[in-house]
Amino acid sequence: EAGVAQSPRYKIIEKRQSVAFWCNPISGHATLYWYQQILGQGPKLLIQFQNNGVVDDSQLPKDRFSAERLKGVDSTLKIQPAKLEDSAVYLCASSLESVGSGYTFGSGTRLTVV
Amino acid sequence: KQEVTQIPAALSVPEGENLVLNCSFTDSAIYNLQWFRQDPGKGLTSLLLIQSSQREQTSGRLNASLDKSSGRSTLYIAASQPGDSATYLCAVNTGNQFYFGTGTSLTVIP
Repeated sequence: EAGVAQSPRYKIIEKRQSVAFWCNPISGHATLYWYQQILGQGPKLLIQFQNNGVVDDSQLPKDRFSAERLKGVDSTLKIQPAKLEDSAVYLCASSLESVGSGYTFGSGTRLTVV
Repeated sequence: KQEVTQIPAALSVPEGENLVLNCSFTDSAIYNLQWFRQDPGKGLTSLLLIQSSQREQTSGRLNASLDKSSGRSTLYIAASQPGDSATYLCAVNTGNQFYFGTGTSLTVIP
């Protein structure tokens, strides 16, 4: 089966600019996650979707971050305006609906804010 | 809140050695635990998934064990190779989300 697709792979922007990341999960995976991984740390959950509804966005900095999942398939994560501390790898993952399912991750987008 | 700890943070071994990576978690009410490998600048590759009812899972040279009652999991790598050099992360599924450790950075020296 095809994996989780993410784009772009790399992005360099200046602070206060905006940026968007795209994710296409594995076909049939109802649950989609966006994680932020700062260098040297484990991934931190930003937002979790079940189909096209938000399950958990408690750790999403809503003043600058937004995410949507239209039609329960693809998802976009946007940062506006970006700060230096947003430099990180943004990982998208998907899983089947059942709680016993494991995660499949995409290759991630490495964001550098200068 | 679930907290996941991985020890050691970094490990360097000569090629051919067997090694053990450790993962501990504070809340034993989990659905499963997943071990991942991460190469520099890349995404996470799933290695093994252990359900809460299982004690261990094996894949090739990798063996993962789970002791839910004590909040511990180990990842055993047999006959290590330079290609095993990467960061290894464990993640615990509480049913609401996965909680990740900070990883163990493994270097296998030829």
